[in-house]
Amino acid sequence: DAGVIQSPRHEVTEMGQEVTLRCKPISGHNSLFWYRQTMMRGLELLIYFNNNVPIDDSGMPEDRFSAKMPNASFSTLKIQPSEPRDSAVYFCASSGRTWKSEAFFGQGTRLTVV
Amino acid sequence: DAKTTQPNSMESNEEEPVHLPCNHSTISGTDYIHWYRQLPSQGPEYVIHGLTSNVNNRMASLAIAEDRKSSTLILHRATLRDAAVYYCIPLIYNQGGKLIFGQGTELSVKP
Repeated sequence: DAGVIQSPRHEVTEMGQEVTLRCKPISGHNSLFWYRQTMMRGLELLIYFNNNVPIDDSGMPEDRFSAKMPNASFSTLKIQPSEPRDSAVYFCASSGRTWKSEAFFGQGTRLTVV
Repeated sequence: DAKTTQPNSMESNEEEPVHLPCNHSTISGTDYIHWYRQLPSQGPEYVIHGLTSNVNNRMASLAIAEDRKSSTLILHRATLRDAAVYYCIPLIYNQGGKLIFGQGTELSVKP
C-alpha cells in the first residue's frame, strides 16, 4: 500500500479564496483524522471520521472549515474563505479496525495564505 | 482527556541508549499508551504502544510503570536518524483512536 496520500503537497492562495485539501486513506482503514500543525499551537486534531461518519468536529476552528468523507477512500477539508492565519501544515491520518490500532499519517499539505 | 508531561528537549550521543520519560498520572485502566515521533518535515509516525506490560519492537522498547502513571520509551542505540520530536499519547478507550498530541520531547542526537 502506498500509505496515506495527500494532495496537493503545497498550496499558496490569496486571502478570501477557497482551498480544498484532499486525502486518500489506507485501504481497509475505517477511521480518518485531519490535523493542523503550526509552530504556535503544535498538532491539533480538527475532525475525525469513523466509517465515513464525522464523529467529533469540536476541533474545527470555525464555520469557514468543513470536511467531508463521501466514501471510504476519499476525504476533503475545505476552507472558505481562507485567511492568512489558516497558514499551516495540514495532515491526514487513517487507522485500522480497532480503536487501539496505530495511525498512519500522510506527508501533509503546506498551506500558505497571502 | 488524560494529561501528559514530557521534557521539552533531550540530548543523546550517537550509538548510546536514550530513555524518554512521560508522566500520565490521570490515565485510566483501559487507556493504551502510544508513542509517536515526528522527523523534520514529515508527518508523525507510530513507534510503539502498550497497556500494562513492557513491549518491544524493531524500533524501540516501552517500559510501563506498575501503577501506569508513567512510561519510558527506550531507544537502544540512538542514530542520527532518530533525531525527532517524540510524543507520548494516552489512547482513550473507545474514542475511535483519537490521538491528542501534546508538546512532545525534541530529541537531538550528536555524532
